[in-house]
Amino acid sequence: EAGVTQFPSHSVIEKGQTVTLRCDPISGHDNLYWYRRVMGKEIKFLLHFVKESKQDESGMPNNRFLAERTGGTYSTLKVQPAELEDSGVYFCASRRGGASYNEQFFGPGTRLTVL
Amino acid sequence: AQSVSQHNHHVILSEAASLELGCNYSYGGTVNLFWYVQYPGQHLQLLLKYFSGDPLVKGIKGFEAEFIKSKFSFNLRKPSVQWSDTAEYFCAVNVGTAGNKLTFGGGTRVLVKP
Repeated sequence: EAGVTQFPSHSVIEKGQTVTLRCDPISGHDNLYWYRRVMGKEIKFLLHFVKESKQDESGMPNNRFLAERTGGTYSTLKVQPAELEDSGVYFCASRRGGASYNEQFFGPGTRLTVL
Repeated sequence: AQSVSQHNHHVILSEAASLELGCNYSYGGTVNLFWYVQYPGQHLQLLLKYFSGDPLVKGIKGFEAEFIKSKFSFNLRKPSVQWSDTAEYFCAVNVGTAGNKLTFGGGTRVLVKP
């Protein structure tokens, strides 16, 4: 079974540019989560999809962030325009449905650096 | 909202030493508790989890954790560490009614000296 994949692994952009991160969840996992870790801080929840619907986007920092999951498969997270404070590692995780204690499987993360 | 705190940011120990990492959470209701680990260059992976039953749970690679409800704690232990246990360890909780999003502690970097 293939794991969660993320692309790119690293991205370096300048302030004001746009970046799009992609996450491919484990096949059949309806639940998809985005998290972010800013350097020196804890991993923080951004949003949660169930299939193609946004279940919870309470962690999205502001309207410069846009997440989509068209067709309920892969997801993208776009940051436009990027600011310095957006630098960090963006993790994606997926989980099959069912019990709340079912494991979330994490991708390797995308390290975003905004200069 | 729930929160999680991990007591140590960095731990350095020698091989064969015992390891205990503290984790406390704040939430008044029922939670599910997790420990994740991130080895150098690898992705986060689940070490163990607790959701009900025996409060002493055993995970992979010889790790175990004990849920003490009265103390809101879920400490991770390993009796004898190896160099390969060098990693960052994260405690996390979720609440079943909140979409199962994870709330993480700040992480503990563990360095095991050979």
